[in-house]
Amino acid sequence: GAGVSQTPSNKVTEKGKYVELRCDPISGHTALYWYRQSLGQGPEFLIYFQGTGAADDSGLPNDRFFAVRPEGSVSTLKIQRTERGDSAVYLCASSLAGTSDIQYFGAGTRLSVL
Amino acid sequence: AQSVAQPEDQVNVAEGNPLTVKCTYSVSGNPYLFWYVQYPNRGLQFLLKYITGDNLVKGSYGFEAEFNKSQTSFHLKKPSALVSDSALYFCAVRDISNYQLIWGAGTKLIIKP
Repeated sequence: GAGVSQTPSNKVTEKGKYVELRCDPISGHTALYWYRQSLGQGPEFLIYFQGTGAADDSGLPNDRFFAVRPEGSVSTLKIQRTERGDSAVYLCASSLAGTSDIQYFGAGTRLSVL
Repeated sequence: AQSVAQPEDQVNVAEGNPLTVKCTYSVSGNPYLFWYVQYPNRGLQFLLKYITGDNLVKGSYGFEAEFNKSQTSFHLKKPSALVSDSALYFCAVRDISNYQLIWGAGTKLIIKP
């Protein structure tokens, strides 16, 4: 079946602009995660959804970052007033549920803030 | 606080030789441990995981990892390396009390023909 899909694959924006990054998880996966990966580093946890609700948003760096998953499937990560430091690859993953389940990752969205 | 260390930025191995990529961790409770591989411009791919049971875990593409509780390590191994194994490898740990995966910085594995 289809894997995790992230769009766009690349996004270039100007400092101060608003961006939305989309994640379409594997069908049937109730858990969805957003991570951010900077060059030369491992992924950094941002937020975790179980169904429609954000079960853990402790990784969001500040209130410019927000994510939704209104119908328990597709999720959108929203970044307001982008800064150059937001430039990174944003990764989305989904899993069936539970702490031992494998997380399946999308190819990521590379965000560049000029 | 949970943490993962991958002490080697890069590991170089000749094709056909055994390989080891090191990982140590720190968690407050029993860990769930994972290895993922990342190829250029592609997403992270799951290799194997340790939850409980046998300390030697076998995974995809002939990889295995050994959980050592006393040394808090989870090293990735393969008996005979292939050039196609060249990629970036990440170790990750999850505390059973939450859903966050904590990741190491990654180790670049280079297999030379």
